[in-house]
Amino acid sequence: GDSVTQMEGPVTLSEEAFLTINCTYTATGYPSLFWYVQYPGEGLQLLLKATKADDKGSNKGFEATYRKETTSFHLEKGSVQVSDSAVYFCAFYSGGSNYKLTFGKGTLLTVNP
Amino acid sequence: DAGITQSPRHKVTETGTPVTLRCHQTENHRYMYWYRQDPGHGLRLIHYSYGVKDTDKGEVSDGYSVSRSKTEDFLLTLESATSSQTSVYFCAISDIRQDVNGYTFGSGTRLTVV
Repeated sequence: GDSVTQMEGPVTLSEEAFLTINCTYTATGYPSLFWYVQYPGEGLQLLLKATKADDKGSNKGFEATYRKETTSFHLEKGSVQVSDSAVYFCAFYSGGSNYKLTFGKGTLLTVNP
Repeated sequence: DAGITQSPRHKVTETGTPVTLRCHQTENHRYMYWYRQDPGHGLRLIHYSYGVKDTDKGEVSDGYSVSRSKTEDFLLTLESATSSQTSVYFCAISDIRQDVNGYTFGSGTRLTVV
């Protein structure tokens, strides 16, 4: 069935370090892919998205590329800040009649000054 | 201008009592969802709605019911609250283009059952 596997956390980095959070998916067809971010005490917010193969989503210095051949959508940022400390969720929508996104379990990122 | 609001934001209730959480949207979106978030489990879908009076179960629907009598409101009821239902509950909405727009989430309701 449909599923998302994301890198287990927690991930702890120093400020200005490079970030990668891995995400792979199992889905029927050609899904749309999303990254959501959840800051402490808040709801999830859409961070970036890609709707077809080889698309690159980007926002706030974060990037992710839709790799159909490896069914992956890894999140990267070149230089993290303390304010990036949050939980990151990978998700996809594969269409059909289920109207639902499939989410990974989330990865907690802590960035230390 | 949030577009989606959840109420209450925090609630403490006693075991065995009924509890209703409200999700209200001003976006006129067709689809609404209730999730719970627990450590180690990520987000788990409880129920969702694909239109007024049209609802369906998610993966963890036991002990929960929902109602949607108008487009803007989606109510989640814990029929008889148990300690295992202590959680953070999120509502989400989407239009018909989930493939492009994904979901918009509310700020959550933190429920404690004592």
